[in-house]
Amino acid sequence: DAGVIQSPRHEVTEMGQEVTLRCKPISGHDYLFWYRQTMMRGLELLIYFNNNVPIDDSGMPEDRFSAKMPNASFSTLKIQPSEPRDSAVYFCASSWTENFNYGYTFGSGTRLTVV
Amino acid sequence: DQQVKQNSPSLSVQEGRISILNCDYTNSMFDYFLWYKKYPAEGPTFLISISSIKDKNEDGRFTVFLNKSAKHLSLHIVPSQPGDSAVYFCAAVIQGAQKLVFGQGTRLTINP
Repeated sequence: DAGVIQSPRHEVTEMGQEVTLRCKPISGHDYLFWYRQTMMRGLELLIYFNNNVPIDDSGMPEDRFSAKMPNASFSTLKIQPSEPRDSAVYFCASSWTENFNYGYTFGSGTRLTVV
Repeated sequence: DQQVKQNSPSLSVQEGRISILNCDYTNSMFDYFLWYKKYPAEGPTFLISISSIKDKNEDGRFTVFLNKSAKHLSLHIVPSQPGDSAVYFCAAVIQGAQKLVFGQGTRLTINP
């Protein structure tokens, strides 16, 4: 398996533009997580899905953020409109119910810069 | 409200010596703890974990210690090697839930 695949690897956009980050989880995994990494707060959980259904979106910072998982092999995180404070590295991770050690598999991340 | 805290942003250790990374948590409901390792331009990878029913777990050069009364855990790496240079994240979860809570990370540098 190729692991968790995220695209793009880097995104530079202007304030006010819409940004869409993409994630393909590992086949067979039934959990998908979106995390954001910043220096101050480390890795923050934004939202997670189970069997394509959003379970907890309490970490989504504002209504400008939205996430979807239309099928088991694809998820998007959208920011509209983007702001400079959204600049961070966004990680997608996947896992499966039987993984009792919680060893999530992370993608390589998308580094977002909003100017 | 940072429920998992890593108060040392960075740590520098000489090759061959012991590296000790620390982590504190505030939520007494957490009962499973993990360490992840992250290299630049890569995602974090799972390193080692410990359940709250134990106070120590070893895996090769890596040992995690848990002090529940102090709400503190630590990761010991001995001997430290140059390939251990990375950012280490501490994480905690309530078993049965899927919501891992991470700390801010500690950048470990192993000097030759």
